[in-house]
Amino acid sequence: EVQLVQSGAEVKKPGESLKISCKGSGYSFSTYWIAWVRQMPGKGLEWMGIIYPGDSDTRYSPSFQGQVTISVDKSITTAYLQWSSLKASDTAMYYCARQDPYGLYYFDNWGRGTLVTVSS
Amino acid sequence: QTVVTQEPSFSVSPGGKVTLTCGLSSGSVSTSYYPSWYQQTPGHTPRTLIYSTNTRSSGVPDRFSGSILGNKAALTITGAQAEDECDYYCALYMGSGIWVFGGGTKLTVL
Repeated sequence: EVQLVQSGAEVKKPGESLKISCKGSGYSFSTYWIAWVRQMPGKGLEWMGIIYPGDSDTRYSPSFQGQVTISVDKSITTAYLQWSSLKASDTAMYYCARQDPYGLYYFDNWGRGTLVTVSS
Repeated sequence: QTVVTQEPSFSVSPGGKVTLTCGLSSGSVSTSYYPSWYQQTPGHTPRTLIYSTNTRSSGVPDRFSGSILGNKAALTITGAQAEDECDYYCALYMGSGIWVFGGGTKLTVL
């Protein structure tokens, strides 16, 4: 069974750093792109970026370029999303999602999300 | 920056038919954007409904269908049920590994 298991909820202060994770299992992790999607409270889905675990090729939405870093450790089948200095506006649910590998271009499996709360 | 447009809200009567659309701020949506649709109940993980314009994901009821209507992608629900009341998002593949989600449509069944 394909699973994307995300790390648990986080409560942080502005200015702190954070790295959340998404562990894939039940499939060939290296051959599926993994995306990160933000959902701010009461708002819609926003595509942040995507990484290919096989070679760490990474693409970012212009809205998130320079604001976050997406990385991967394929040896432990885990993708990461990190911030060096959180802001209150980073408070959101963050989902990882697996992109179909067959050129059909959609997200076929989703993690359950990691809630990040940034508050002083 | 590319904006993907969706109706903010829509209403449908139980048993009725509704078509939600997904457009571009500049240009037309075609199959080359591989439009996909996701359903989300508040507080829950998105669920994949439709991909590659008109292919239903596994387990999705056949009352959901996807198409291109004019210059937009479309999600049609034929025979809406109470459990279809939730948020619907489209996503377009812009090429070069870049995706954009629409702002979402809140569907009310009443």
